Amino acid sequence: EAGVTQFPSHSVIEKGQTVTLRCDPISGHDNLYWYRRVMGKEIKFLLHFVKESKQDESGMPNNRFLAERTGGTYSTLKVQPAELEDSGVYFCASSQDWGDYGYTFGSGTRLTVV
Amino acid sequence: AQRVTQPEKLLSVFKGAPVELKCNYSYSGSPELFWYVQYSRQRLQLLLRHISRESIKGFTADLNKGETSFHLKKPFAQEEDSAMYYCALSRKTSGSRLTFGEGTQLTVNP
Repeated sequence: EAGVTQFPSHSVIEKGQTVTLRCDPISGHDNLYWYRRVMGKEIKFLLHFVKESKQDESGMPNNRFLAERTGGTYSTLKVQPAELEDSGVYFCASSQDWGDYGYTFGSGTRLTVV
Repeated sequence: AQRVTQPEKLLSVFKGAPVELKCNYSYSGSPELFWYVQYSRQRLQLLLRHISRESIKGFTADLNKGETSFHLKKPFAQEEDSAMYYCALSRKTSGSRLTFGEGTQLTVNP
């Protein structure tokens, strides 16, 4: 089966610009998660979708971040406007069952804000 | 709030030597603990979980609630074990959300 796909793999933008990250989960996986690792620190939870609904968005850092999952398929994470501290690696993961911690992770998007 | 601490950012051992990657956690309830691994140029993947009590690739981890630890151990390290290892915790009541430690980069030298 195809894995979790994220693109772009790298993005370099200037402070104040907008960037949209995309994640395509494994087909049939209702659960989709976004995590990020900032400045070599721990990987932090951002939010969790179940199908098209936001199950838990308590990890979203501020209102400059907007996540959507249209039709319960792929998801986008938009940062607008981007700040320097948003630089890091953004991971997407999906799983089939609620509470299934054997996520399949994507390879991540490395975002650099300059 | 829950927290996961991996005190060693870097760990280097020789092939055939025992290896232990430390993980301590803080959480007032009953947690579920996991180890994830990321090999070079590969994706993050689940290595093992405490509830399954299994050995994967020769690695084991025992949950010690008294010491709030979940150290990862392997008696004889191999070069292919070189990778980034993350300890993670989940509150059973919060569904699938994971709290990760900062990770330990393990290097196994020939």
